[in-house]
Amino acid sequence: GQNIDQPTEMTATEGAIVQINCTYQTSGFNGLFWYQQHAGEAPTFLSYNVLDGLEEKGRFSSFLSRSKGYSYLLLKELQMKDSASYLCAVRDGAAGNKLTFGGGTRVLVKP
Amino acid sequence: DTEVTQTPKHLVMGMTNKKSLKCEQHMGHRAMYWYKQKAKKPPELMFVYSYEKLSINESVPSRFSPECPNSSLLNLHLHALQPEDSALYLCASSPLPGQGNNEQFFGPGTRLTVL
Repeated sequence: GQNIDQPTEMTATEGAIVQINCTYQTSGFNGLFWYQQHAGEAPTFLSYNVLDGLEEKGRFSSFLSRSKGYSYLLLKELQMKDSASYLCAVRDGAAGNKLTFGGGTRVLVKP
Repeated sequence: DTEVTQTPKHLVMGMTNKKSLKCEQHMGHRAMYWYKQKAKKPPELMFVYSYEKLSINESVPSRFSPECPNSSLLNLHLHALQPEDSALYLCASSPLPGQGNNEQFFGPGTRLTVL
């Protein structure tokens, strides 16, 4: 099985930086995804890591350490529209490559 | 076309009704998924289809019956549901493993209420 942990909620100020951590335990790690989900909407893909290191995509970056079972999503230059839930999801190659989501981190951006 | 569409957007049904949720994608993805999402919870996987064949069933009750008529369509047939089945039902599709990063594209979901 899998165990994926991320903080429940974070608050940050517009223009600031926020880092959302995700730790996981899985028997057949085959990639980690970050999704953004606004209330009442579908999740949208943000980033993917399968090798150790940092992936940068505009204002969003994601880091992975497979040996530590750890990832983070970094959101820079926060904007009000970034207020959403951020979901860490791990793909398990030993379970048909299914995706299991963490509980999600609600980020509230304040002016 | 990088979109997954779902119909209907909203559905209200009684416990004795039979209804179906529909999902469609034209990205050539050969893996399709059904998820259930309760309020303030993450999506929970229900079913996975690979090459139009059911490959994962996460011990979902038989009152939920998936169907994949072809590579673009995925249905979820509902019968004799319970009020606790009220949730957002999300469909997703992705390339198969070994084809890119297998990012899953999600549809907008069907908001289901069971009375």
